[in-house]
Amino acid sequence: KAGVTQTPRYLIKTRGQQVTLSCSPISGHRSVSWYQQTPGQGLQFLFEYFSETQRNKGNFPGRFSGRQFSNSRSEMNVSTLELGDSALYLCASSLGAGTGPNNEQFFGPGTRLTVL
Amino acid sequence: GIQVEQSPPDLILQEGANSTLRCNFSDSVNNLQWFHQNPWGQLINLFYIPSGTKQNGRLSATTVATERYSLLYISSSQTTDSGVYFCAVRIQGAQKLVFGQGTRLTINP
Repeated sequence: KAGVTQTPRYLIKTRGQQVTLSCSPISGHRSVSWYQQTPGQGLQFLFEYFSETQRNKGNFPGRFSGRQFSNSRSEMNVSTLELGDSALYLCASSLGAGTGPNNEQFFGPGTRLTVL
Repeated sequence: GIQVEQSPPDLILQEGANSTLRCNFSDSVNNLQWFHQNPWGQLINLFYIPSGTKQNGRLSATTVATERYSLLYISSSQTTDSGVYFCAVRIQGAQKLVFGQGTRLTINP
């Protein structure tokens, strides 16, 4: 079974631009979560989607948004990019229903975003 | 919110040595995972272990949920074990993992 995939792997943008990152979960997984990793703040939760609905959102400004499609693929968008948005963006998927091992999260390789 | 603390922050060992990494958390959890982040940034799943003990080859983990800590043991370390190890927890009703700051492990040949 294929793992979580993310595209693109690397991205360079300039301040003020916007960017869209894509994540395809493991087949059969309905929950997709996004995390931001920076040297200063570590790994921080952005948001989680399940069956096309946002179930939880982290403490990030409204410039960060996301969505999930009916095939469970997810995209996140960052508008009006700032230098501080430079980070590794990680996507994770899980079965997402109920409790226990169904909620074990599996991560993709990440998208490394550099904002100049 | 829940706090997750990992220790030590850095660990340098010689190949063949054993190591113990610790994760303390400040509230009851219903999910605890250990990850190894490889040099390219991907988080590799090591254990899903909200309680009890598990073993996988040279790695094992123990979570004592009532005392709010988990331990990751690495025996006979190899240079390929180098990297950052993260503990992450999820509390009841929350749909997110909260990560510790990680332990950077360096295994020298």
